[in-house]
Amino acid sequence: KQEVTQIPAALSVPEGENLVLNCSFTDSAIYNLQWFRQDPGKGLTSLLLIQSSQREQTSGRLNASLDKSSGRSTLYIAASQPGDSATYLCAVRDAGGTSYGKLTFGQGTILTVHP
Amino acid sequence: DAGITQSPRHKVTETGTPVTLRCHQTENHRYMYWYRQDPGHGLRLIHYSYGVKDTDKGEVSDGYSVSRSKTEDFLLTLESATSSQTSVYFCAISGRRLDEQYFGPGTRLTVT
Repeated sequence: KQEVTQIPAALSVPEGENLVLNCSFTDSAIYNLQWFRQDPGKGLTSLLLIQSSQREQTSGRLNASLDKSSGRSTLYIAASQPGDSATYLCAVRDAGGTSYGKLTFGQGTILTVHP
Repeated sequence: DAGITQSPRHKVTETGTPVTLRCHQTENHRYMYWYRQDPGHGLRLIHYSYGVKDTDKGEVSDGYSVSRSKTEDFLLTLESATSSQTSVYFCAISGRRLDEQYFGPGTRLTVT
């Protein structure tokens, strides 16, 4: 059974700092990995999707990397801003024809960026 | 943003009553999912659908049933609500290539 772990559980940084959020998964047979952002009381917003054949994806100040063989992904946020404060969730989709796109989520990292 | 709506957005109900949550999509996506989110457990899959009238169980399906009679609607029913089903429920959709999943705004359900 796939298990996803995110470290740290919470992170507080001053504005402007570059930071890294970590995600690890136990079964390397994945189809893709998706990073989400969740604001308090809101739904999930997809940030980046990395296919299993890719090493990284970039969107603006966000960069996500994937090392499938070691079961790890990182989300790098450059020049953090107070508006980046949210919970960041990592989710993996297992490979295999019967998975139907089901995602297994980590518990998230709560990020606070201080002005 | 993906066209996903959930109704109701908030509901308070009593133990033992039936409850139905609705997810509606305008994207014509084949795959739809119901998750619940709880502190300490994260998001967990309840049921999913891979087409009209095609559904299957997820990780935490006990006490829940689903139906999908049209592509755009996926219903989640709690036949007899219990306090352990107090949670935030999210619907998600995924397109033909099963790539990105897009989530709805959530329904906060409280069972008293």
